[in-house]
Amino acid sequence: EAQVTQNPRYLITVTGKKLTVTCSQNMNHEYMSWYRQDPGLGLRQIYYSMNVEVTDKGDVPEGYKVSRKEKRNFPLILESPSPNQTSLYFCATRRGSGELFFGEGSRLTVL
Amino acid sequence: AQKITQTQPGMFVQEKEAVTLDCTYDTSDPSYGLFWYKQPSSGEMIFLIYQGSYDQQNATEGRYSLNFQKARKSANLVISASQLGDSAMYFCAMSFFYNNNDMRFGAGTRLTVKP
Repeated sequence: EAQVTQNPRYLITVTGKKLTVTCSQNMNHEYMSWYRQDPGLGLRQIYYSMNVEVTDKGDVPEGYKVSRKEKRNFPLILESPSPNQTSLYFCATRRGSGELFFGEGSRLTVL
Repeated sequence: AQKITQTQPGMFVQEKEAVTLDCTYDTSDPSYGLFWYKQPSSGEMIFLIYQGSYDQQNATEGRYSLNFQKARKSANLVISASQLGDSAMYFCAMSFFYNNNDMRFGAGTRLTVKP
């Protein structure tokens, strides 16, 4: 079954405590991306990766890092989380210009 | 600048009736795709329907159809015979054939189906 798996699904943390949200896909897609969803703003792209070792900034990259060492994995790293990073995060993948396949979402609260 | 606009923050519809969710977009690129996604209260994003900018006919998928008016730059989603399970957030999105590293989303419309 085609899947995009994110962990953790829910996380409450405190300001400044580094965290990583993992993302893994089994569809062998080259493209992966991270979005954040905030009320009234829809989904906004944080970072994307067109292939292994190739990453680039989206619209809202400040405060985030990513890496793409393997095709299937694309972790999102918050080095020093702040309350304005409280959001619902989605990892996604796609083949070519088709639809995005999303993970289940990770709801992050930064106190 | 490429932009997607959904002007209806919330909509109500009676069960079994049809409802139209509005979506307008702004682009000067001739090659693009338009997508609709559903997000139920459980949070996952579910792909519903796709329309390519060169497609001559409006897309349909079961009870979903996309009313594509290219000259007006609108891509409204029509849900026929609404069901209680259609209550959800709906997002319109756009991406480009020449540059498929991003998909731009509207702010979303929350649809509530009343029994």
